[in-house]
Amino acid sequence: GAGVSQSPRYKVAKRGQDVALRCDPISGHVSLFWYQQALGQGPEFLTYFQNEAQLDKSGLPSDRFFAERPEGSVSTLKIQRTQQEDSAVYLCASRTTGVSGANVLTFGAGSRLTVL
Amino acid sequence: DQQVKQNSPSLSVQEGRISILNCDYTNSMFDYFLWYKKYPAEGPTFLISISSIKDKNEDGRFTVFLNKSAKHLSLHIVPSQPGDSAVYFCAASSYSGAGSYQLTFGKGTKLSVIP
Repeated sequence: GAGVSQSPRYKVAKRGQDVALRCDPISGHVSLFWYQQALGQGPEFLTYFQNEAQLDKSGLPSDRFFAERPEGSVSTLKIQRTQQEDSAVYLCASRTTGVSGANVLTFGAGSRLTVL
Repeated sequence: DQQVKQNSPSLSVQEGRISILNCDYTNSMFDYFLWYKKYPAEGPTFLISISSIKDKNEDGRFTVFLNKSAKHLSLHIVPSQPGDSAVYFCAASSYSGAGSYQLTFGKGTKLSVIP
């Protein structure tokens, strides 16, 4: 696709529910990132994939957060037993292979999660 | 411990004047610095970057200045236009040691350009 596509754009969940957020990166982009943006804050790194391999998950806040990219294209971020502090915008970004020059990520519009 | 700081949450500027957005950082291992612009309900979009070995990069109305000794960078927009009204994020790139370069973001500065 022309850009990074995320769905759903908005999700309201009751505390304790599981949610799944989808990211469709730019076609051919090897690298995929998930970021979490809380209200009034900048995006914070969650996890990174190179093709289907999850190379860095150091930013995932707890074991309730799980991400996958089984075929190296579409990725899903899953949050189990959601808590109110999980309310945030979840941003997906992709980048073509290699880094020559600045590490420019292309972001999707985000999925806004509200946990009641 | 915030490695990238934007100390001004908001800035108002008259149309046609210069907008100056500031950013400070603490990690001297950052190799590139980037500015992203974000409109409501949209994702951040890349604006301009600068290598840590440069002190200036210019792209049209946008210029980024880097002062390594002060660990400070700034984004200048001149002349400012109403369409520039958005939240601007400063971001810094570093190798994570896990096979990727990561971006560390500041909290953002909301720029309002008044017609």
